[in-house]
Amino acid sequence: GAVVSQHPSWVICKSGTSVKIECRSLDFQATTMFWYRQFPKQSLMLMATSNEGSKATYEQGVEKDKFLINHASLTLSTLTVTSAHPEDSSFYICSASVAAAYNEQFFGPGTRLTVL
Amino acid sequence: AQSVTQPDIHITVSEGASLELRCNYSYGATPYLFWYVQSPGQGLQLLLKYFSGDTLVQGIKGFEAEFKRSQSSFNLRKPSVHWSDAAEYFCAVGGKAAGNKLTFGGGTRVLVKP
Repeated sequence: GAVVSQHPSWVICKSGTSVKIECRSLDFQATTMFWYRQFPKQSLMLMATSNEGSKATYEQGVEKDKFLINHASLTLSTLTVTSAHPEDSSFYICSASVAAAYNEQFFGPGTRLTVL
Repeated sequence: AQSVTQPDIHITVSEGASLELRCNYSYGATPYLFWYVQSPGQGLQLLLKYFSGDTLVQGIKGFEAEFKRSQSSFNLRKPSVHWSDAAEYFCAVGGKAAGNKLTFGGGTRVLVKP
């Protein structure tokens, strides 16, 4: 149980294009989803928190107009990297949590984004 | 603000030897503590968690961790490592006061020598 998937697992795009990453909770309803960014050999940095049906809350320093997050249903959240640049290349990981399992987050396998 | 420190960036251990990874946290209320493992290019897998109760927590893959409130520590241990334990290990802290957010330590990379 508590499986989270991400799609795609890796993506290569040209600079200036937009990329959408999906995060799905497969066997539970996620009241909250989180998006993290991880640079090579570094830790996870929280980008934003999203609750179903409401606007995402972004961490300080994260450009909300560049990283658009939508949490339209209890099983799906999307992260869109708009006008991507090479410095946006990173490993993006989502997680999902359930109110009944407070503070435990279930992590997706991650999406490797490379911007050329 | 909450924070997590993992003092050891790298640890090299021989297969069959014991392993201990250190984790110190700063949190202004009752902490929820987690250890995750990440293989290269993969997501995070939960090894164990501490919410309350017995301060010695058993996890998967033969790992255990001990919560010591007086030392603000939550060190991870394994009595005998296997080559498959080579990975990156992350300690994380959260809690109700943090609004369900987790803060991760910098990670410890474990290398296992044959």
